[in-house]
Amino acid sequence: GDSVTQTEGLVTLTKGLPVMLNCTYQTTYSPFLFWYVQHLNEAPKLLLKSSTDNKRTEHQGFYATLHKSSSSFHLQKSSVQLSDSALYFCALYGGSGNKLIFGTGTLLSVKP
Amino acid sequence: NAGVIQTPRHKVTGKGQEATLWCEPISGHSAVFWYRQTIVQGLEFLTYFRNQAPIDDSGMPKERFSAQMPNQSHSTLKIQSTQPQDSAVYLCASSLVGGRYEQYFGPGTRLTVL
Repeated sequence: GDSVTQTEGLVTLTKGLPVMLNCTYQTTYSPFLFWYVQHLNEAPKLLLKSSTDNKRTEHQGFYATLHKSSSSFHLQKSSVQLSDSALYFCALYGGSGNKLIFGTGTLLSVKP
Repeated sequence: NAGVIQTPRHKVTGKGQEATLWCEPISGHSAVFWYRQTIVQGLEFLTYFRNQAPIDDSGMPKERFSAQMPNQSHSTLKIQSTQPQDSAVYLCASSLVGGRYEQYFGPGTRLTVL
């Protein structure tokens, strides 16, 4: 069945450094990938989405490129800010059902 | 647009009691999803309605959990005979259709079973 893997449970960085959060997926369908961000005590919100192979998508300084050849959709930012501290979920819509399949999430903690 | 509304925001029940959680989706959205979020399990899909009809309940525990959508403006998740392991944040989300469309999440209901 469809699945999403996020390998890092916790990423701790100093403000101003670059970050990459890993996301790989498995599906037999044409994938639609999402990144959701959840700040403390808030609802998850959509950050990025893509279904186009090898095209970079950007929002709020974050960017990701869907690579179907490696089944990856890693989230990156060139310079993290304190306000980026949050839980980041990668999610897959693979067409095998109507629901999104979420990864386990990566907690990003940015230190001064 | 008020976004997805969930009530109550917090609920505390004793073991064995019933809990009913409410969700009001964004007006015009035809898809409603329920999720459960815990530290250990992360974000788990429970069930999905489209145009008020139940489409996929594959994530619902077979016993004690039920969900309904009696009209387009609200959905309920009912947990009978609550157990401590039911303690979680229950999130409701809505979208235009489902699947590939952006899901808008409500603030969640934090259920604590003592």
